[in-house]
Amino acid sequence: NAGVTQTPKFQVLKTGQSMTLQCAQDMNHEYMSWYRQDPGMGLRLIHYSVGAGITDQGEVPNGYNVSRSTTEDFPLRLLSAAPSQTSVYFCASSYSVASNQPQHFGDGTRLSIL
Amino acid sequence: EDQVTQSPEALRLQEGESSSLNCSYTVSGLRGLFWYRQDPGKGPEFLFTLYSAGEEKEKERLKATLTKKESFLHITAPKPEDSATYLCAVQGETGTASKLTFGTGTRLQVTL
Repeated sequence: NAGVTQTPKFQVLKTGQSMTLQCAQDMNHEYMSWYRQDPGMGLRLIHYSVGAGITDQGEVPNGYNVSRSTTEDFPLRLLSAAPSQTSVYFCASSYSVASNQPQHFGDGTRLSIL
Repeated sequence: EDQVTQSPEALRLQEGESSSLNCSYTVSGLRGLFWYRQDPGKGPEFLFTLYSAGEEKEKERLKATLTKKESFLHITAPKPEDSATYLCAVQGETGTASKLTFGTGTRLQVTL
């Protein structure tokens, strides 16, 4: 059981470039989400999904896209990278959104936009 | 809007010196309060969920308690391996059921 796996671990981009952050979970979890973590701020929700084919926006969705074609995978796409998107990105999953189950996090992708 | 405030921002303890971390919250109907531990370069690791005032949970040297306005994470006789950032998060009843609101964490350092 690998849990939640995120790739890559580190990435440097130039302003305007696009890229996809990968997230996969092998726990058959229904709910998956993306957060960003910035110094002096709590983790903030970007997008989330309650199941395959269903996604919705979180607190800070601008500049990011998501899709959920399978239960296991939930990629996050940066369409045109901006320096304000320099952050650490965490993917999380939980068994169900219907009950208050704890979320399990990956180890993050550290992204720098130059 | 749900809010979480953690204090202190940083705490340095000697091995064996017990203390408590505070998480104050405001939320419209609490579904759950979560404590996580985060090591440098890692993702948050789940510790506890508390659902209602008066509830307590324990794990090794850690004990979490909950009132209607705050939660405490008590650390008894800490060891250097307890050094980490401890995060508190709440899930409210209004809005999106999935949304967690996180505090900024308490950085704990335990020295020999």
